[in-house]
Amino acid sequence: DGGITQSPKYLFRKEGQNVTLSCEQNLNHDAMYWYRQDPGQGLRLIYYSQIVNDFQKGDIAEGYSVSREKKESFPLTVTSAQKNPTAFYLCASSPGDSGKKTQYFGPGTRLLVL
Amino acid sequence: KQEVTQIPAALSVPEGENLVLNCSFTDSAIYNLQWFRQDPGKGLTSLLLIQSSQREQTSGRLNASLDKSSGRSTLYIAASQPGDSATYLCAVSGGATNKLIFGTGTLLAVQP
Repeated sequence: DGGITQSPKYLFRKEGQNVTLSCEQNLNHDAMYWYRQDPGQGLRLIYYSQIVNDFQKGDIAEGYSVSREKKESFPLTVTSAQKNPTAFYLCASSPGDSGKKTQYFGPGTRLLVL
Repeated sequence: KQEVTQIPAALSVPEGENLVLNCSFTDSAIYNLQWFRQDPGKGLTSLLLIQSSQREQTSGRLNASLDKSSGRSTLYIAASQPGDSATYLCAVSGGATNKLIFGTGTLLAVQP
């Protein structure tokens, strides 16, 4: 089955700890995205990547980091600098960098702070 | 800066009713507009994508329209069913990078 997988489904972070959220896609898509969703709010873009070994900051990149070493993978690290990390994190991908293509979303990871 | 607004924030209708969800955006320079569905605790499922040059798109009981000049889109759901209960999000893409700007969503409940 083609699609986007995110793991884990739930993640707990202690104060001062860095945690990494996994996102993998087997759709052969060039572009990948990370969004954050807070209750009652829409999704906000954290980082995006249009090609391997390249990525750009979104609207709320502070306290987060990413890498794109492989086309299939776009992991997101929530660093200790992110003071309010509790949220639902969604990864997405789309074919190419055209603005005419829909984005396909993974099932999400819910991050909670202990 | 592009802002996307969805009204109403929540809607409850009896089964079988036709309904309309509204989405407005402040900058008409968009590449496309998309409607998504989100079930509780789940990811997003794309419903319809309307290119900036198009006026509407249809899929089954769903019809989405786009009036770019006025900054508005509507999602029409015909003969609603309890299985349609979900949050519906609209999002606009402002350029070739396909970055999406989302509205806050409309929570729809269809009562059997």
